[in-house]
Order: sequence, then structure tokens, then C-alpha cells
Amino acid sequence: EAGVAQSPRYKIIEKRQSVAFWCNPISGHATLYWYQQILGQGPKLLIQFQNNGVVDDSQLPKDRFSAERLKGVDSTLKIQPAKLEDSAVYLCASSSLGAYNEQFFGPGTRLTVL
Amino acid sequence: GIQVEQSPPDLILQEGANSTLRCNFSDSVNNLQWFHQNPWGQLINLFYIPSGTKQNGRLSATTVATERYSLLYISSSQTTDSGVYFCAVELELVFGKGTKLTVNP
Repeated sequence: EAGVAQSPRYKIIEKRQSVAFWCNPISGHATLYWYQQILGQGPKLLIQFQNNGVVDDSQLPKDRFSAERLKGVDSTLKIQPAKLEDSAVYLCASSSLGAYNEQFFGPGTRLTVL
Repeated sequence: GIQVEQSPPDLILQEGANSTLRCNFSDSVNNLQWFHQNPWGQLINLFYIPSGTKQNGRLSATTVATERYSLLYISSSQTTDSGVYFCAVELELVFGKGTKLTVNP
């Protein structure tokens, strides 16, 4: 079974530029999550989708971050414009519906904002 | 929101030693996972354990939900066990700050 795929793996941009990350979850997983992990900390949830609907985006900085999952499968996370403090690893995870909600993570995208 | 505390923050072992990592959480939970983040940043699932005890090779975990803690046991540690171990709770996964484990040869 293929795992969660993410691209790109690394991205370096200047502040005020835009950037987008892509995630393809495990086949059949209805729920998709984006997390931000700042160096030295645990991951923090940004947004949760169930199929193509948003379940929780309470911690997403909506003035600059946006995310979509139009067809209920893959997803994109965008930052526009980027700030220095956005430098982090962006992790995507997925889980199946039901009582057993184990999440599986992709390899992440390491973003550096200069 | 729920708080997750992990201890110790750092742990240094000699190869072959055993260790216990602890995760305390501030409220009842329906979901708890343990992860190992390797030096390349990949989060590897170790256990999905909202309650009870599970074992997988040299690793085992116990969650006592009524007392709001979980323990991860590593026996006969190897250098490849080095990395950061995270506990995370609830469906949206609230993470602790992790335990950084270094196993020296």
C-alpha cells in the first residue's frame, strides 16, 4: 500500500513570495490533515478535511494561508505572502473514517523563507 | 484545549540499555498515538493505543486512560532508535514536545 505522498520535499523562497505544497493521501482515506512543525516543536494542526469539506481550520492563519481538497482526494496548501516565521516543515497526514482513526504521515515539505 | 506533556525531554543511553518514556495528558482522550521522528524528519507510526497494552518487537506501550498517561518502553536500545519520540492525542492529534533519544554505540 502506497503511503502519503508530498511534494516538493524542499522549497526556499524570499519573504513576501507565494508557495504551494501538494499532498496525495493513502488511497481510500477520507480524512486529510495539514500540520506545521517548527524546529524543535511537535507538529501543530493547521486544517482538517473530511472528503472535500473542512472539518477544522481554527488554527489556520487565514490572512495568508489557504488550503483546498476539491475532489476529495489530493490537497494543496498555499501561503501568500510568506513571512520569515513560516519557515517550518509542512506535514500532510491521512486517516480512514470510523472508530479506528490512526493517522499516517507523509515525508513533509521543508520550507525556508529568506 | 487539552495539554500533552512528555518526559524526559532528553535521554542519552548506551546501546543495549532499556528506557521508559512518559506522556501525560490533561483530559480524557479517545485517541493516542506514539511516533518516532527519524533524523530525516519522517514520522513513523509506533502504536495506536488509546487504552491497554501493545507490543511490537523491542517496543511496547501502555495507556492508562483513567489516570491520563501513557508509557513507551524501549528495550535493548540500538543506535537506530535515536530520534524524537512524540505522543499525540485526540482525533486532530495534539502533540507533546517530544523526547529526544540519543543511543550511543
